[in-house]
Amino acid sequence: AQKITQTQPGMFVQEKEAVTLDCTYDTSDQSYGLFWYKQPSSGEMIFLIYQGSYDEQNATEGRYSLNFQKARKSANLVISASQLGDSAMYFCAMREGDRDDKIIFGKGTRLHILP
Amino acid sequence: DAGVIQSPRHEVTEMGQEVTLRCKPISGHDYLFWYRQTMMRGLELLIYFNNNVPIDDSGMPEDRFSAKMPNASFSTLKIQPSEPRDSAVYFCAIGRGVKSGELFFGEGSRLTVL
Repeated sequence: AQKITQTQPGMFVQEKEAVTLDCTYDTSDQSYGLFWYKQPSSGEMIFLIYQGSYDEQNATEGRYSLNFQKARKSANLVISASQLGDSAMYFCAMREGDRDDKIIFGKGTRLHILP
Repeated sequence: DAGVIQSPRHEVTEMGQEVTLRCKPISGHDYLFWYRQTMMRGLELLIYFNNNVPIDDSGMPEDRFSAKMPNASFSTLKIQPSEPRDSAVYFCAIGRGVKSGELFFGEGSRLTVL
């Protein structure tokens, strides 16, 4: 069974608009971590943001925020004021348990920012 | 600074040949991961090591795949014999055992099996 689900294979958004990329996850652990990574066309993987399952506040990093809804098991990435350089593949990922191991990824969402 | 060097960056080989992908972490870490990326399957975890010991290899597709980590500065992923369906980008990533679990990725090795 898929543990990380990203339902949007592709999205097109107008520049300067806000973007929400969906991610739902499945785990029976009480302690876990959720991540988002960006992969531009050049291929490298860039860490964006992290949310711990016990963190009470939604994580934010600059224009990125993670909309964490624990009861719904969702961890959507919100990008405010999108820019052309945000065009990339975005992956949601999860670490189960307390340790820094077995980080698994969703299939990704390809985001296209239109000028 | 964290860093991971992977080689080769690109490899084209013929079906049946042995392929060895290399990963050299250049800074301290506790964990090392091998991922495979394809259009159809996204990023799949193949195997990961903790302190050079393989912890979970349940993602390794079949016996043709093997991975080793003889020391903290070097790991290999070997495919023997290779098949066209093994064509993918293979990433090595390291983690530092901190709670945030951020991974530092290499630039990947693009493998094409003809």
